[in-house]
Amino acid sequence: EAGVAQSPRYKIIEKRQSVAFWCNPISGHATLYWYQQILGQGPKLLIQFQNNGVVDDSQLPKDRFSAERLKGVDSTLKIQPAKLEDSAVYLCASSFIPGANEKLFFGSGTQLSVL
Amino acid sequence: DAKTTQPNSMESNEEEPVHLPCNHSTISGTDYIHWYRQLPSQGPEYVIHGLTSNVNNRMASLAIAEDRKSSTLILHRATLRDAAVYYCILAPGGTSYGKLTFGQGTILTVHP
Repeated sequence: EAGVAQSPRYKIIEKRQSVAFWCNPISGHATLYWYQQILGQGPKLLIQFQNNGVVDDSQLPKDRFSAERLKGVDSTLKIQPAKLEDSAVYLCASSFIPGANEKLFFGSGTQLSVL
Repeated sequence: DAKTTQPNSMESNEEEPVHLPCNHSTISGTDYIHWYRQLPSQGPEYVIHGLTSNVNNRMASLAIAEDRKSSTLILHRATLRDAAVYYCILAPGGTSYGKLTFGQGTILTVHP
């Protein structure tokens, strides 16, 4: 079974530039999550999709971050403009359905460095 | 969201059992207890989860206290590949869509 695919694996940009990350969840998984993991910390949920609708984006900095999942399958997370503090690993995860009794499958992440 | 408390780090020797503790005194009746682990340069990996009863799978066992205010992840025979950060997380039930809030986790070091 193919896992959660993310690209690129690494990205280096200057501050104030824009960047986009792509995620393809496991086939058939309706729920998709984007997490941000700053070095030395646990992952922090940015946004959660159920099919192509947003169910939780309470911790997404909406002035600079945006995310979409137009066809309910793959998803894109964008940062515009980037700040130094956005340097982190961006993790995508998926689950078959939402719920406390479901397990999440994570991708390997995109490591972003903002210079 | 209810929070968990874990030791910052633990050490073990290869082929010995490892008991990773987690306190969650404010757990509610619908919260599931999840464990994930994260190896270096990888995304978190699901280990095990449960609600009230102890759980076993091929990776580990989860022992849940009778009052559910604490739990223990048990690795029966640690290997070098088990060295990772282990996260104990409460996944709230109800209408919260199973949102996982990660803490700092426990860094497990396994000595050969």
